[in-house]
Amino acid sequence: EAQVTQNPRYLITVTGKKLTVTCSQNMNHEYMSWYRQDPGLGLRQIYYSMNVEVTDKGDVPEGYKVSRKEKRNFPLILESPSPNQTSLYFCASGRRNQETQYFGPGTRLLVL
Amino acid sequence: SQQGEEDPQALSIQEGENATMNCSYKTSINNLQWYRQNSGRGLVHLILIRSNEREKHSGRLRVTLDTSKKSSSLLITASRAADTASYFCATALGGSARQLTFGSGTQLTVLP
Repeated sequence: EAQVTQNPRYLITVTGKKLTVTCSQNMNHEYMSWYRQDPGLGLRQIYYSMNVEVTDKGDVPEGYKVSRKEKRNFPLILESPSPNQTSLYFCASGRRNQETQYFGPGTRLLVL
Repeated sequence: SQQGEEDPQALSIQEGENATMNCSYKTSINNLQWYRQNSGRGLVHLILIRSNEREKHSGRLRVTLDTSKKSSSLLITASRAADTASYFCATALGGSARQLTFGSGTQLTVLP
């Protein structure tokens, strides 16, 4: 089944404790992206990647890191999480020359 | 930055009625897309309309685009309880998934 998977789905952590949210897609998509969703603010793009080893900042990159060492994986790294990073995070993927994006199920993060 | 703004923010209708949601945006676009999000889940692509199109249909969905007014509408006909979800418009400035910007969404509730 074609899909985007994220792990974990739920995470509670404390300020300053490094964490990684994994994202994987099995559709051979070149494009991958991370968003955060907060009430009243819609989806805001954190980082995106057009291909392996190519990443770029979105609208709200501060406090986040990403890497794209393999085409199928695009992990999101929070080196020192803070409470304002409490949010619902979505990974998405798509073909480089197509506009549609395919979303993962989301990761709900709570930073205490 | 948020490009699309949906209106209304929330809409409640009876099963069988039609639901209309509107989206306004600020800059010229290549295409506009509508996505649906069930509570706490990932977004699912519904329909895409290009800047040179004025209307598009897909099943019970009808999308219109008025580039002169920088606005789009999504009509769901003969609504069902299963249509209860949040609906987001997303504007693409270019021809790839990279530059997709989402609005803050309309929460649709269809009462049985």
